[in-house]
Amino acid sequence: DTAVSQTPKYLVTQMGNDKSIKCEQNLGHDTMYWYKQDSKKFLKIMFSYNNKELIINETVPNRFSPKSPDKAHLNLHINSLELGDSAVYFCASSQAGSPGELFFGEGSRLTVL
Amino acid sequence: AQSVTQLGSHVSVSEGALVLLRCNYSSSVPPYLFWYVQYPNQGLQLLLKYTTGATLVKGINGFEAEFKKSETSFHLTKPSAHMSDAAEYFCAVSGYSSASKIIFGSGTRLSIRP
Repeated sequence: DTAVSQTPKYLVTQMGNDKSIKCEQNLGHDTMYWYKQDSKKFLKIMFSYNNKELIINETVPNRFSPKSPDKAHLNLHINSLELGDSAVYFCASSQAGSPGELFFGEGSRLTVL
Repeated sequence: AQSVTQLGSHVSVSEGALVLLRCNYSSSVPPYLFWYVQYPNQGLQLLLKYTTGATLVKGINGFEAEFKKSETSFHLTKPSAHMSDAAEYFCAVSGYSSASKIIFGSGTRLSIRP
């Protein structure tokens, strides 16, 4: 069983379109994250939710909107896609009491043409 | 504020040689420190962590790291490199709470020469 699963694994889309990435974790963790990894492998945190409550909201364009329907799911919706949004987006989760110990999904590679 | 600096974006060693990947951190409070590994087209996975206690920590795949407060360093080592160690390695720092941000370094690509 995959612990943190993301879908889709690959997205190729045109500028201006809207897309969503879904993430689910079956580890029973309380906290979930979205990270963006650029072409130089630099990882930047975007959002973090703890028990469906937003706790970290970095400076990202408001075209990016996370949504956590329950503590096992964290989705990311992106409106009006731009070329600079091309990246690999990683979902991760962690357990309360173990800060920094992240379990990552395999990533969703977004290519905006 | 916390930050992490990884010295060397690319390290190349021969198979069987010592692996040394450098990480320095900046933190206003005693940090939690981590090393993660990322194989091609995969997510990151935790190699090892330092929270409190023993400053030499051992991780998976024969890696270890030593927390040196006086040098604000947390370098990763492995006595003998294997071809399978070729990957991207990330050092990371965190605070104590679940609300803490986990800050990653810029990564070091490790290549292994036959």
